[in-house]
Amino acid sequence: QQPVQSPQAVILREGEDAVINCSSSKALYSVHWYRQKHGEAPVFLMILLKGGEQKGHDKISASFNEKKQQSSLYLTASQLSYSGTYFCGTEGDTGNQFYFGTGTSLTVIP
Amino acid sequence: GAVVSQHPSRVICKSGTSVKIECRSLDFQATTMFWYRQFPKQSLMLMATSNEGSKATYEQGVEKDKFLINHASLTLSTLTVTSAHPEDSSFYICSARGPRRAGELFFGEGSRLTVL
Repeated sequence: QQPVQSPQAVILREGEDAVINCSSSKALYSVHWYRQKHGEAPVFLMILLKGGEQKGHDKISASFNEKKQQSSLYLTASQLSYSGTYFCGTEGDTGNQFYFGTGTSLTVIP
Repeated sequence: GAVVSQHPSRVICKSGTSVKIECRSLDFQATTMFWYRQFPKQSLMLMATSNEGSKATYEQGVEKDKFLINHASLTLSTLTVTSAHPEDSSFYICSARGPRRAGELFFGEGSRLTVL
């Protein structure tokens, strides 16, 4: 049930770009993206609904391919504040359980 | 955004005792609440999904009798860890959502449970 994310970890220099992928084995109704800092609750980034939409705000955007049951998060011109663990969260077409992905640790260095 | 309050934030208990964790939505009606458990450097693992007024739906492998979840009102859900043991030590976090499907989840601050 748990979506699989890749890569598991990534280290970037400030200003570099990154892509985080999320893949599910189930048909999806929605995909959420969250960022979590150590010891804190996850912080909401965005939701994408089935329909193949792409969303973005500022330098963080995401896409959702419902046919492939995949979503990608794009971070451009990374900043130090982007560091943290990124999780996708998925809700299936049936039922209302909400599962988090395996997580991607992102570290931005000066 | 909406506010979800979770208490206690930290609790230490002796093995064999029970611990109750509360999750309250302060400014919206939480139709659905989710309870997660998170081990260090790992993802949030869904334990159960509860809808107000209904029995919680537990994930496979989660003991219903050990982790009692109650969602008696639209603003309060509780997780009771019964007869806690050291292996139950973990970070527990709740999240809540209103009636709109695919709406944003709002998280409590999390509860760090340590069982001695």
